Amino acid sequence: GAVVSQHPSRVICKSGTSVKIECRSLDFQATTMFWYRQFPKQSLMLMATSNEGSKATYEQGVEKDKFLINHASLTLSTLTVTSAHPEDSSFYICSPQIQETQYFGPGTRLLVL
Amino acid sequence: KQEVTQIPAALSVPEGENLVLNCSFTDSAIYNLQWFRQDPGKGLTSLLLIQSSQREQTSGRLNASLDKSSGRSTLYIAASQPGDSATYLCAVRRNSGNTPLVFGKGTRLSVIA
Repeated sequence: GAVVSQHPSRVICKSGTSVKIECRSLDFQATTMFWYRQFPKQSLMLMATSNEGSKATYEQGVEKDKFLINHASLTLSTLTVTSAHPEDSSFYICSPQIQETQYFGPGTRLLVL
Repeated sequence: KQEVTQIPAALSVPEGENLVLNCSFTDSAIYNLQWFRQDPGKGLTSLLLIQSSQREQTSGRLNASLDKSSGRSTLYIAASQPGDSATYLCAVRRNSGNTPLVFGKGTRLSVIA
C-alpha cells in the first residue's frame, strides 16, 4: 500500500501560536488531499478538500482563515492552524487520494495549552 | 447529508468469541463502503472495502457484508484475539471521483484474554 507520512506526530503549543502540519505521500503523487480531524471518542470529520494547485474547499463550520491549507505539489500538503486555541486540540489526519482510493497518514496530535 | 451510525459504541468480549459490529448509513446511494481499524492515538488501517455491487468481502478472520438497499453493513470477526482490540470504523463514499469518505464514530472493541 501507499506510504503517507505526517510531521510532527505530536505537538504542544501555547495558545495564540501557529502550528504547521506536513503531510507527504512518499511513493505516489496525489492530486487530491483530504484533511480530517478527530476529537476524543468521536469520528473523523472532514475539514477540507484540496486539489494540487487550487484553493482548498472547506466544510461548513471550518474557518478557512484559521486552517490554512497549501497543496503546492503532488507529494506535499500542509495544514497550518493559525492562532491556535485550546479548542483546536485534536488529532489531525491527512488523506491523499489516488485512483479513487484514500490513504491515511498516521495523524498529528495537537495540544494547545 | 450522509450520516453513518455504528452500534455498539463499545464492546468487550472474552477471547475466542465470534462477534458482529454494525454500521448503518442514511443515504443508500453509495459507491463503496470501507471498514478500518484504528489503534489508540494512531492512524487508520484499511481492513475491507466493499463496492456497491458486492454483497461481502472476506479477509482472514474478517468478513464484511453489505446490504446497500437497507443501508447496512456488518463486520464479522471470528475467533477474536486480544490483538483485535481497537476501534473499528465504518466509512462510505458517495460516488466515484474526488468525494471523501464519511465516517461513523466507531466501535471500541476490547478482547479480554
